Amino acid sequence: SQQGEEDPQALSIQEGENATMNCSYKTSINNLQWYRQNSGRGLVHLILIRSNEREKHSGRLRVTLDTSKKSSSLLITASRAADTASYFCATDAVGGANNLFFGTGTRLTVIP
Amino acid sequence: DTAVSQTPKYLVTQMGNDKSIKCEQNLGHDTMYWYKQDSKKFLKIMFSYNNKELIINETVPNRFSPKSPDKAHLNLHINSLELGDSAVYFCASSGTALTGELFFGEGSRLTVL
Repeated sequence: SQQGEEDPQALSIQEGENATMNCSYKTSINNLQWYRQNSGRGLVHLILIRSNEREKHSGRLRVTLDTSKKSSSLLITASRAADTASYFCATDAVGGANNLFFGTGTRLTVIP
Repeated sequence: DTAVSQTPKYLVTQMGNDKSIKCEQNLGHDTMYWYKQDSKKFLKIMFSYNNKELIINETVPNRFSPKSPDKAHLNLHINSLELGDSAVYFCASSGTALTGELFFGEGSRLTVL
């Protein structure tokens, strides 16, 4: 399947540190997106990176994409307690159904 | 104003019952989706509707039937509920069927006893 896989499954850091989460996928994509889910809430879109882009920034977020390795990373700099959430990558599939496939997420805990 | 709203937020019911979850979006989007999130946080698409037409129907049991009276609404009806149907169901919408940004509702937690 096209399902993405995030790594690590869980990450615990101190406030102010940087957090890096990785995502691997299986087939060619048009774009890759990252979402955040706070406990008991819906998913919120963070950033989209297209297959012809290698890096993208949004505030304290930095996303990289390596299509040759079929992987992406999400870096959150200067983390805050409010960043505590689960983070998911989502990919589509070139030539496939217009559909997003999500991984199982990385659970990030930022300790104040 | 809530962009994507779904009701109810919590639903507890017995096996064999029939239940519905409603979803409405006020974003003017053409495409709406239903996703199921299991206890391991795995999120899987169930259905997608583009301007009231079903464009994706993943391999879900036919006990699940989506209904879209207009492009702002996508309801999910579930017949003969089973224990394995317990999950959180998310409605989402997007402005394009070409896998753009999704806007999610807050989820409906279904518990089947």
